[in-house]
Amino acid sequence: EVQLVESGGGLVQPGGSLRLSCAASGFTLGSFEMNWVRQAPGKGLEWISYISSSGSTIYYADSVKGRFTISRDNAKTSLFLQMSSLRAEDTAVYYCARGWLRSDYWGQGTLVTVSS
Amino acid sequence: EIVLTQSPGTLSLSPGERATLSCRASQSVDTSYLAWYQQKPGQAPRLLIYGASIRATGIPDRFGGSGSGTDFTLTISRLEPEDFAVYYCQQYGSSPPYTFGQGTKLEIK
Repeated sequence: EVQLVESGGGLVQPGGSLRLSCAASGFTLGSFEMNWVRQAPGKGLEWISYISSSGSTIYYADSVKGRFTISRDNAKTSLFLQMSSLRAEDTAVYYCARGWLRSDYWGQGTLVTVSS
Repeated sequence: EIVLTQSPGTLSLSPGERATLSCRASQSVDTSYLAWYQQKPGQAPRLLIYGASIRATGIPDRFGGSGSGTDFTLTISRLEPEDFAVYYCQQYGSSPPYTFGQGTKLEIK
C-alpha cells in the first residue's frame, strides 16, 4: 500500500526555521517526482515546490523561493522541506504529494504555525 | 504564471442532480497538464481526473472531465451524498508554478 507520512510541523516564531519530512512507503520513491503543497487555514491549495525523481531539477513558487529548500533521499525513502525565515503567512498544513501531471497520492499533512 | 479561475465559487445542488464545474486558464494549457482534485474537510486532496479527461484509478464513472485550451469542465453526472466537497483544478504547465484554481465548493441544497 502506498503511503506518504509527513512530520516535523509545529509552532515556530517568525524568522525561525523548521524541517519537514515525508516518509514514503509502498513504492519506489526514486521513480517519482514529488511536490510540496500547502493550505492555509480555510484557504485553497497552493503548490510550493517540485523535485524530479533524481533530484536534479527543482522548482519553487515565488512565495517561498530563497527561503525554502526541497530535497530527497531516495535511499532513505524520504522527501524533505527545509523552511527558513518563516513568516505568519507560511502558516498552513503542508502536504507532500507524489507525481507530476497527476498527484495520485498525498500525505495526511503536517501543520506549521508561525506565531510569536 | 498561468492563473486558473474556477466557477462558480459555490454550487448548491441536490443528490441525483448533475453538477458542472468550470476551470478557466489565463493562457492555453495542454490537456495533458490539467488535473482535478476533490477535497473533503480534514482530508488530503484526492486525484479525480488527469490529462483533462482521464479518470484516476478507482474514480466512479459519474465523474467526467472535458475541455481544451483555456476552458475545462468537471462534470458529475448524478450527485451522490459523498460528492459534496471542494473541487480544485491544477495545471502542470511546461514551466512552474503549477497553479491551482481557488476551488469550487459543492454543497447540498
